Amino acid sequence: DAEITQSPRHKITETGRQVTLACHQTWNHNNMFWYRQDLGHGLRLIHYSYGVQDTNKGEVSDGYSVSRSNTEDLPLTLESAASSQTSVYFCASKPGGTGELFFGEGSRLTVL
Amino acid sequence: RKEVEQDPGPFNVPEGATVAFNCTYSNSASQSFFWYRQDCRKEPKLLMSVYSSGNEDGRFTAQLNRASQYISLLIRDSKLSDSATYLCVVGDYNQGGKLIFGQGTELSVKP
Repeated sequence: DAEITQSPRHKITETGRQVTLACHQTWNHNNMFWYRQDLGHGLRLIHYSYGVQDTNKGEVSDGYSVSRSNTEDLPLTLESAASSQTSVYFCASKPGGTGELFFGEGSRLTVL
Repeated sequence: RKEVEQDPGPFNVPEGATVAFNCTYSNSASQSFFWYRQDCRKEPKLLMSVYSSGNEDGRFTAQLNRASQYISLLIRDSKLSDSATYLCVVGDYNQGGKLIFGQGTELSVKP
């Protein structure tokens, strides 16, 4: 079955370290998204991509970057992790138009 | 003002009750509307899309009022298994179809 997977599921890191969260989907969806979820804020869009070599900033993109070198993967990189980036991160993908958004199981990141 | 706003709750209701959630959105150009369900910090999953004419799926009814920029979800005959957080989601094709989430409304159904 097609699916979307995230790794690692849990990570603890130190302030200032570079961290990359992986996201891989096998549906061949063009559209991929990264959200973070924090108490009191709900899901907030970090970055998104509509296809290979396309990336766009969301509402909370500072301190994050993404790259899209193929259809299946959209890794999220924290260049220099900060405690404010402690959160649960969800990757999602969907086909174009009004298609349903499918989420990965989430990655819980703690920055000490 | 947030683009999508919901009453965070929690809503505590007994089994069998009818409960309604409301959601407002600020972008009048929004064109797609959904309700997602999220259990205990697991990944959100689509509950139902919301159409202009309103739509029903079993015990769940969704309504859209474009003039008031308002979406609702009605759950009839609540079950214990309905306990979850319900997320209102709005999309805009002019912004490439990206989806904006409300902060969610927590529902707890008690025996």
